[in-house]
Amino acid sequence: DTAVSQTPKYLVTQMGNDKSIKCEQNLGHDTMYWYKQDSKKFLKIMFSYNNKELIINETVPNRFSPKSPDKAHLNLHINSLELGDSAVYFCASSQMVGDTEAFFGQGTRLTVV
Amino acid sequence: AQSVTQPDIHITVSEGASLELRCNYSYGATPYLFWYVQSPGQGLQLLLKYFSGDTLVQGIKGFEAEFKRSQSSFNLRKPSVHWSDAAEYFCAVGPNSGGYQKVTFGTGTKLQVIP
Repeated sequence: DTAVSQTPKYLVTQMGNDKSIKCEQNLGHDTMYWYKQDSKKFLKIMFSYNNKELIINETVPNRFSPKSPDKAHLNLHINSLELGDSAVYFCASSQMVGDTEAFFGQGTRLTVV
Repeated sequence: AQSVTQPDIHITVSEGASLELRCNYSYGATPYLFWYVQSPGQGLQLLLKYFSGDTLVQGIKGFEAEFKRSQSSFNLRKPSVHWSDAAEYFCAVGPNSGGYQKVTFGTGTKLQVIP
């Protein structure tokens, strides 16, 4: 069974559209994250949620809105997509907010045209 | 602020040869250090991590890394590379408190393995 799963794996969309990426973890973890990996492979944290509560928002435009319906899910909704949003988005989870190890999903490659 | 540098963007080695991937970090105290591997189309998989104690850390898939405080380095090594090791490798550093959300990643080293 996949521990952290994201859907879709690939997403191609036009500028201005709104899209969502879903993430689910079956590890029973309390903390979930969204990372963005740009074209230069730089991996940067965007958001961190603990038990459905937002704990980190790293200066991400408010077009990006994470939503955590329960602690096993952290979805990422993006409004008014821009070309610069093209990247690979990774979801991850860790057991608790102070934990020092995270498990990553396989990534969602978003291409905005 | 903490940072990680992986000086080699791309490395090519022959199958069976030894491998060393370099990682230098900047951090004000004793850091937590990680190496991840990302195979094509896959997420990041943890290879090994260093928190404290023995500075030579053994990981999965035959990898090891050595923490050298004097050089601010945490280089990844493998004595004999297999074709399946071709992937992107990321070094990461984090604080020993504050949780995973404060981990900073390097920009990766892409490993190519030739027969």
